[in-house]
Amino acid sequence: AQSVTQPDIHITVSEGASLELRCNYSYGATPYLFWYVQSPGQGLQLLLKYFSGDTLVQGIKGFEAEFKRSQSSFNLRKPSVHWSDAAEYFCAVGALTTGTASKLTFGTGTRLQVTL
Amino acid sequence: DAGVIQSPRHEVTEMGQEVTLRCKPISGHDYLFWYRQTMMRGLELLIYFNNNVPIDDSGMPEDRFSAKMPNASFSTLKIQPSEPRDSAVYFCASSLGRYKNIQYFGAGTRLSVL
Repeated sequence: AQSVTQPDIHITVSEGASLELRCNYSYGATPYLFWYVQSPGQGLQLLLKYFSGDTLVQGIKGFEAEFKRSQSSFNLRKPSVHWSDAAEYFCAVGALTTGTASKLTFGTGTRLQVTL
Repeated sequence: DAGVIQSPRHEVTEMGQEVTLRCKPISGHDYLFWYRQTMMRGLELLIYFNNNVPIDDSGMPEDRFSAKMPNASFSTLKIQPSEPRDSAVYFCASSLGRYKNIQYFGAGTRLSVL
């Protein structure tokens, strides 16, 4: 069974500073990997995804993530954080099941706080 | 598109009462997922449907929980009878299977069982 580990429960960064959120996954085959963001009282919004190909993927809001198979990691980065980025971030791994849909397994999330 | 629509946004009920949560997926999507989010257990997949048929309900916690999808544009998650430990945020998500299952989430229903 697949699993996702987000080792950082809570991270605080200053506005304008760079950000890296860690994600490690466990999956027996080629994973499908996702980062979602959840603002308070809101649902989850997809930031970016990795299916295959280029291991550096770009997403919305200036985020990017790099898939490193050797490290089983899919870390999320942003060069300069804005106060509006304060939210909870979830990494997820998808597994092919029946048909073409996949069951997503989510990490426990990393809460990002941005100080001004 | 309006996205995935869930109702109600908030539900407060008393223990023992029946609770029904509703979801309208994105038009044309053929997969629908129900998740539960709690502080203790994070996001858990409860059940998912493909073309209105339940495919995997292994995440449904117990017989008090049931889900239906009578047509492609509507699904319900019912808890009967409800218990305080069911208090959580319940999310519905939908996806178009052939595009490698990017799941689009609704805003969730926050359920409080007193």
